[in-house]
Amino acid sequence: DAGVTQSPTHLIKTRGQQVTLRCSPKSGHDTVSWYQQALGQGPQFIFQYYEEEERQRGNFPDRFSGHQFPNYSSELNVNALLLGDSALYLCASSPGLDRNTGELFFGEGSRLTVL
Amino acid sequence: AQTVTQSQPEMSVQEAETVTLSCTYDTSESDYYLFWYKQPPSRQMILVIRQEAYKQQNATENRFSVNFQKAAKSFSLKISDSQLGDAAMYFCAYTVYGNKLVFGAGTILRVKS
Repeated sequence: DAGVTQSPTHLIKTRGQQVTLRCSPKSGHDTVSWYQQALGQGPQFIFQYYEEEERQRGNFPDRFSGHQFPNYSSELNVNALLLGDSALYLCASSPGLDRNTGELFFGEGSRLTVL
Repeated sequence: AQTVTQSQPEMSVQEAETVTLSCTYDTSESDYYLFWYKQPPSRQMILVIRQEAYKQQNATENRFSVNFQKAAKSFSLKISDSQLGDAAMYFCAYTVYGNKLVFGAGTILRVKS
């Protein structure tokens, strides 16, 4: 049973560029959430996708956008990268909102470095 | 606003001994979930233990147990018989059913042999 998988694991971008991160949820899960974890800090909620729609959003600018596909996989896009966007981006999946016990299953993350 | 506070940036414990990590939270909700997650250097966040707020009994998972004080909004994690593999960053987290997780800043746990 595959867990949550994310790609790429590491990437380096320069300021102003755009990046796309990808996530495949755990088998049987249809809800995907994205978190940003700056070095030495706790993860911060970016947004949650369910039934291909953004259901909740954290305090992140519009430069952060996402998408969920019919197979429940998801992408996180960040435009006009800033140095402060350097972080570990975590994808987490869970069962549907009506079956959700609150527990999230996390991937290993994508480490983004912006130079 | 819902917040989670971990007041211990770093803790150390001798192998085979017991350590307690502290967590307090702030919420106006009456029904919610609390979690302790472990993040080893490999980065993958792993659930250690979960507590439903409506349950008075403290959750236990093998060597891990919690002390849940709902009125005080306190949720500490006790690790008994500490092992080298317990060394990691530990995060306390809170959620209302189906919603986002709110994490604390984390506590680095070091285990000495």
